[in-house]
Amino acid sequence: LAKTTQPISMDSYEGQEVNITCSHNNIATNDYITWYQQFPSQGPRFIIQGYKTKVTNEVASLFIPADRKSSTLSLPRVSLSDTAVYYCLVAARGTYKYIFGTGTRLKVLA
Amino acid sequence: EAQVTQNPRYLITVTGKKLTVTCSQNMNHEYMSWYRQDPGLGLRQIYYSMNVEVTDKGDVPEGYKVSRKEKRNFPLILESPSPNQTSLYFCASSFTGSEEKLFFGSGTQLSVL
Repeated sequence: LAKTTQPISMDSYEGQEVNITCSHNNIATNDYITWYQQFPSQGPRFIIQGYKTKVTNEVASLFIPADRKSSTLSLPRVSLSDTAVYYCLVAARGTYKYIFGTGTRLKVLA
Repeated sequence: EAQVTQNPRYLITVTGKKLTVTCSQNMNHEYMSWYRQDPGLGLRQIYYSMNVEVTDKGDVPEGYKVSRKEKRNFPLILESPSPNQTSLYFCASSFTGSEEKLFFGSGTQLSVL
């Protein structure tokens, strides 16, 4: 199972684009990358998932370089309500075991 | 509304007193799992279940039991709770557990005195 490393915390201002990078140097061929968002007193919530290149949905974009050893979650024009902890998860296809990292605490300032 | 429901939301107990935290999902998911969340340690998987009557250990299974008698329910059992099991617990489910996004419950804050 690939181990992930993320920055512990980040600060940003409203309206800015925020990029959170996750390092997963020992990612395997069958691994895919998923990001979750967690607000205080709530369970994590799925944001986006990808395998390679770029994935975009209505909430975020996920950039994965060719070597797949890292990935970047991009949140466009953040607001105060984006203040949360963001987790990067790398898991193999066909596995049921998940190892979450310690997450990145994003604080959006007015 | 599609959801994962955990009960209770908060629980304070004493060392050695057996307790059960319930988890139920209404999405007909095959996969369910339990996690504990501790400051600085992120989410750690306790047990998971691929389907009814099929369960397996996660990374931190010691001191916990689970059962999956019905597809929708996956209770977490602490036979003899200890203070080091004081934590925030989350139940999650997904369609198959592989490549699927996980749906999490709202959590159960357990304090063992």
